[in-house]
Amino acid sequence: GQQLNQSPQSMFIQEGEDVSMNCTSSSIFNTWLWYKQDPGEGPVLLIALYKAGELTSNGRLTAQFGITRKDSFLNISASIPSDVGIYFCAGDRNSNYQLIWGAGTKLIIKP
Amino acid sequence: SAVISQKPSRDICQRGTSLTIQCQVDSQVTMMFWYRQQPGQSLTLIATANQGSEATYESGFVIDKFPISRPNLTFSTLTVSNMSPEDSSIYLCSVTRGSNEQYFGPGTRLTVT
Repeated sequence: GQQLNQSPQSMFIQEGEDVSMNCTSSSIFNTWLWYKQDPGEGPVLLIALYKAGELTSNGRLTAQFGITRKDSFLNISASIPSDVGIYFCAGDRNSNYQLIWGAGTKLIIKP
Repeated sequence: SAVISQKPSRDICQRGTSLTIQCQVDSQVTMMFWYRQQPGQSLTLIATANQGSEATYESGFVIDKFPISRPNLTFSTLTVSNMSPEDSSIYLCSVTRGSNEQYFGPGTRLTVT
């Protein structure tokens, strides 16, 4: 079963608002990855994190590798309609290229 | 990254039949993976496709049901055998080039009636 707790499960936000989501685990991870999946598409890699404490940005997206190596968060600033979709965190524990996935956070923008 | 294509993009199949899904990458990759994603759910790893040898299957998935081939470093197939409605899902292939960063194909949406 899944070993990553991703929250929130879904978010209803207004356009222009900032968004924050996170993943936590009781286990230590070596890598954290954040993906976005649009309907009918495969997940697209947004940000990859490799070091504890690392803070990385990709445009309006910022993600951090938690200092304990057991968590990560993703922030989206000034959300726009195309940010709608499902965001997944994924992590690698054993450096064997196999990822463990969170359940996803569904982002919905209120009209 | 890598450009990954999957065929077919979607199919509707009758129970008891088999479907082979193809995954083609635009350049050589180290590893290829096959996932299943049921509606509204996260991704579940089916197996790692190994070039020149048998695939490595995750718990709950067996070769007789999901035979996989990987004849070279840019191509793999997944067959869903003796299908039942429970096999209705999105099947995704992904690739890596020696890091943990996996890049995904667009998926194959399978409906079994």
